[in-house]
Amino acid sequence: DAMVIQNPRYQVTQFGKPVTLSCSQTLNHNVMYWYQQKSSQAPKLLFHYYDKDFNNEADTPDNFQSRRPNTSFCFLDIRSPGLGDAAMYLCATSRERQATDTQYFGPGTRLTVL
Amino acid sequence: LAKTTQPISMDSYEGQEVNITCSHNNIATNDYITWYQQFPSQGPRFIIQGYKTKVTNEVASLFIPADRKSSTLSLPRVSLSDTAVYYCLVGDRDSWGKLQFGAGTQVVVTP
Repeated sequence: DAMVIQNPRYQVTQFGKPVTLSCSQTLNHNVMYWYQQKSSQAPKLLFHYYDKDFNNEADTPDNFQSRRPNTSFCFLDIRSPGLGDAAMYLCATSRERQATDTQYFGPGTRLTVL
Repeated sequence: LAKTTQPISMDSYEGQEVNITCSHNNIATNDYITWYQQFPSQGPRFIIQGYKTKVTNEVASLFIPADRKSSTLSLPRVSLSDTAVYYCLVGDRDSWGKLQFGAGTQVVVTP
């Protein structure tokens, strides 16, 4: 089945130690998104790629970076994780970047910062 | 993007119909209304989308009155597995896919 895969499902890192989260998709969608979801809160969009075009949200901290080496893969890099970055990180894809396009979410990576 | 308001939580028993109303007073002419469902420790999942009147699929129905300032997601005969958070989102084709999630409604279904 076509899907959005996130690895790892659980990631533990130390305060200040860089960490990379991975997302892959078999849907061949143009758009890939990264969301941050803290406990009991709604998902918050960090940035998205439309093909190779990177689009950052205005309030996304510089500590968060992303790479999309090809259509299928997208990475979220947290350069110096703080305790406040502990959250579920969700990757999503859509065929086009219109609100009417369904977004398909992966299962998420839960990040713990010690 | 139009702001949405939903109840924080709703409780139901198995087999009942659950109706969640979302207010979006500032909805624009080109805006669509979309609902997502999220189970614990999973990503959100698309449920249904509509523009006006009524939309029905195998999972739910979406009722949108003529003024479109609100919408109601109807889940028929819920089961325990329908316990989840339900998000109402409003956006138009030019929103660049910016899903702006509101607080969502936590639905708890009990036996």
